[in-house]
Amino acid sequence: QVQLVESGGGVVQTGGSLRLSCAASGFTFSSYGIHWVRQAPGKGLEWVANLQKDGINKYYADSVKGRVTISTDNPKNTLYLQVNSLTTEDTAVYYCARDQGWASDIWGQGTMVTVSS
Amino acid sequence: QTVVTQEPSFSVSPGGTVTLTCGLSSGSVSTSSYPSWYQQTPGQAPRRLIYTTNTRSSGVPDRFSGSILGNKAALTITGAQADDESHYYCMLYMGSGIWMFGGGTKLTVL
Repeated sequence: QVQLVESGGGVVQTGGSLRLSCAASGFTFSSYGIHWVRQAPGKGLEWVANLQKDGINKYYADSVKGRVTISTDNPKNTLYLQVNSLTTEDTAVYYCARDQGWASDIWGQGTMVTVSS
Repeated sequence: QTVVTQEPSFSVSPGGTVTLTCGLSSGSVSTSSYPSWYQQTPGQAPRRLIYTTNTRSSGVPDRFSGSILGNKAALTITGAQADDESHYYCMLYMGSGIWMFGGGTKLTVL
């Protein structure tokens, strides 16, 4: 079954860090690009970052640039999103999504990050 | 900074047709923006409906269609059904590896 499963969310204090994981199964994720998308409570979707399928090129939204880093563990078929210097504005459900056809075809169920002051 | 614009809300009668749009605060949407559309119901992950402007995802009913109308991307629902009541988001490629979502449209079917 083709799926993505996020983990690593939780409650963290302002200024803290988290590493979110996105585990892929049913496909070789190194053959696809992966997006990270977040959604603050009651708000819309916000594109956060993208790792292109070459596994090299990484792109970040201005709102997180300099605080966020994508990394991968290919043998584990897992992608990570390191988020530093967290603020309350980072509180959101974080989704990873497979990039296929210039769009996100497979989405995980999301992991909730709550930043408390 | 350029933002992606969508109608905040829209209403359609059951069996009716509705067209949601996706534009840019500055500039025009084209096929090179690779517009895609997503449906999201509360508590669920988004579901891709349309990609590369007008390609329907597998399993998506053919009452959903995508196009470019003027300088915007458009999602048309023909013969709306009650379970089409959802939030709809478009995503555009902005260039240089950057993507952006619109603010979403809440569609009510009544």
